[in-house]
Order: sequence, then structure tokens, then C-alpha cells
Amino acid sequence: EAGVTQSPTHLIKTRGQQATLRCSPISGHTSVYWYQQALGLGLQFLLWYDEGEERNRGNFPPRFSGRQFPNYSSELNVNALELEDSALYLCASSYRDRGPFEQYFGPGTRLTVT
Amino acid sequence: AQTVTQSQPEMSVQEAETVTLSCTYDTSESNYYLFWYKQPPSRQMILVIRQEAYKQQNATENRFSVNFQKAAKSFSLKISDSQLGDTAMYFCAFMKGEAGGTSYGKLTFGQGTILTVHP
Repeated sequence: EAGVTQSPTHLIKTRGQQATLRCSPISGHTSVYWYQQALGLGLQFLLWYDEGEERNRGNFPPRFSGRQFPNYSSELNVNALELEDSALYLCASSYRDRGPFEQYFGPGTRLTVT
Repeated sequence: AQTVTQSQPEMSVQEAETVTLSCTYDTSESNYYLFWYKQPPSRQMILVIRQEAYKQQNATENRFSVNFQKAAKSFSLKISDSQLGDTAMYFCAFMKGEAGGTSYGKLTFGQGTILTVHP
């Protein structure tokens, strides 16, 4: 069974630009979660999508947004990039029947803002 | 709001020995889950073990076991017979157990403990 996949592996952007990160969940999983792992700030919850709807959102500004497609894959968009957005962005997925209590993580996208 | 604290930034252990990683948490919730995740160097995060707060019995997964002290809000991870492949960052995490509210579905992580297993 293929795990959670994320693309790209690395992304380098300039301050003020927009970044788009992609995530494909494990087959059969309907929920996708996004987390930011920044140096000095640890792992912080960003967003949760289930069945195409945003279910919950962490304490991040509106320039962090996303969506979930009918095939349950997801995009995270970060607008007006700031230097402090440089981080590893992790995606996780879970089965709807098991709730959010068993999240499987992908390898992450390393975003560098210069 | 929930908080998770891991007070040991780094730990080391000799191969085949036992090591215990500490975690404390603070919450007003009565229904919740606790987790230990492992993040090897440059590799993806893996769920090691999960504990449901209403279960009194401590969870075990092969060489990994937890000591869950609900009253003390403590959740330590014991790794027995340590192996070189156990070298990783270990995160303790909390999740609210009941649907609804701003915390549901959200894993709250501790700062992590870097564990190095020496041959």
C-alpha cells in the first residue's frame, strides 16, 4: 500500500510570491491534515480537510489556505510569502471511519523563502 | 488549550539498553488520546504508539511501551532493547477525543526529544 505522498520535495520561493504544495493521501483515506514544522516553533496544526470540506483550522493567517479535491488529494496554498514561512510542511491522512485519531504522515515539502 | 511538554531535548542510549522518554501534558478535557511519533533523520514521521485516556491499561507495541499516569498528566515512552534504527526525534502529542470545538482533529505536539542510539 502506497503511503502519503507530497510534492514537490523542495520548493524555493521569493518573499511575496505564492507557493502551492500538494498531497495525495493513502488510498481509501478521506481526511487530509496539514502541519507546519518550523525551526524553533515545532510542529503546528494548519488545516484539516474531510470530504472536500474544511473541518478545522489552526492559528494561522488567512494567506494560508487550501482545498481538497474529489479524489481526496489536497493543495496547500501560501500567499504573500514571508521569510518566516520557511519550514517543512507535513501532510497526513486518515480513514474517516477511524476519525482523526490515526494520522499517517507524508515525507513533507521543504519550503524555503528567500 | 492543551499543552504538551517534553523536558528532555536530547537523550542517548547504548544499543540493547532501555531508555525512557518523558512527556507531560495539560488539559481540561476528560476524553483524549495521547501519541508518540518517531521522525527519523530525513524520513517521514511514524506513529509509534497510541493511548486512549479512558483505558487504564498502558499501551504496548513490541519493544515500545508507555507509562500513562492520568492523574499526574504524564505519558512516558519506554524503548526496550534499543536498536540503531531507533535513532530519531520523538514527539509526544495530544488530541481531544470528542468531536466539535477548535481542537478536534488537531494534534498538539511537544517540542521533541532527539534520541541517539550508540553501537
